[in-house]
Amino acid sequence: NAGVMQNPRHLVRRRGQEARLRCSPMKGHSHVYWYRQLPEEGLKFMVYLQKENIIDESGMPKERFSAEFPKEGPSILRIQQVVRGDSAAYFCASSPPLWERENEQYFGPGTRLTVT
Amino acid sequence: QKEVEQDPGPLSVPEGAIVSLNCTYSNSAFQYFMWYRQYSRKGPELLMYTYSSGNKEDGRFTAQVDKSSKYISLFIRDSQPSDSATYLCAMSRPSRGEKLTFGTGTRLTIIP
Repeated sequence: NAGVMQNPRHLVRRRGQEARLRCSPMKGHSHVYWYRQLPEEGLKFMVYLQKENIIDESGMPKERFSAEFPKEGPSILRIQQVVRGDSAAYFCASSPPLWERENEQYFGPGTRLTVT
Repeated sequence: QKEVEQDPGPLSVPEGAIVSLNCTYSNSAFQYFMWYRQYSRKGPELLMYTYSSGNKEDGRFTAQVDKSSKYISLFIRDSQPSDSATYLCAMSRPSRGEKLTFGTGTRLTIIP
């Protein structure tokens, strides 16, 4: 039973470029969450998605960041015109259908973004 | 004031000792409480998951929640070098699909 998959594991971008981070949830999971972890800080919630719907984006920066979870394929976190402050580890989590386990979230290995 | 406070450590204990990790929180709406273990440069791994107050035991791990004090704990018995990691507490409101609010994590080292 494969866990949450994220790719790439490491991503290097120059300032001004775009970064695309991908997340495939665990089999049978239909809810995806994105979190960001800055050095020496805890994980901070960014966005919660279900297939073709953004449910909660209260943690997303207002500009340059967007997320989607299409009907087919992985969830994508997109960062346009990256700046050095975007350098962080980005984690995706998924949870099972909400009628099963209330709010257990399982995390992927993360994508470490470095902006040079 | 942060919603969730956690002592960052580092905490070093000898192998076989009992480890106590703690978090306090300020949001009385939190009802779900979780502990994650994160090895260096890896993703967080769900260790314990509890709802509301009380104790939950799983092998060498025991999670305690005291909602009256807004205080949660994780105890590790017979600690092993493989337990060396950063431990993150997390919590959420009871709404389904609710986001998790994390503590900053406590870095633990078990000395052989």
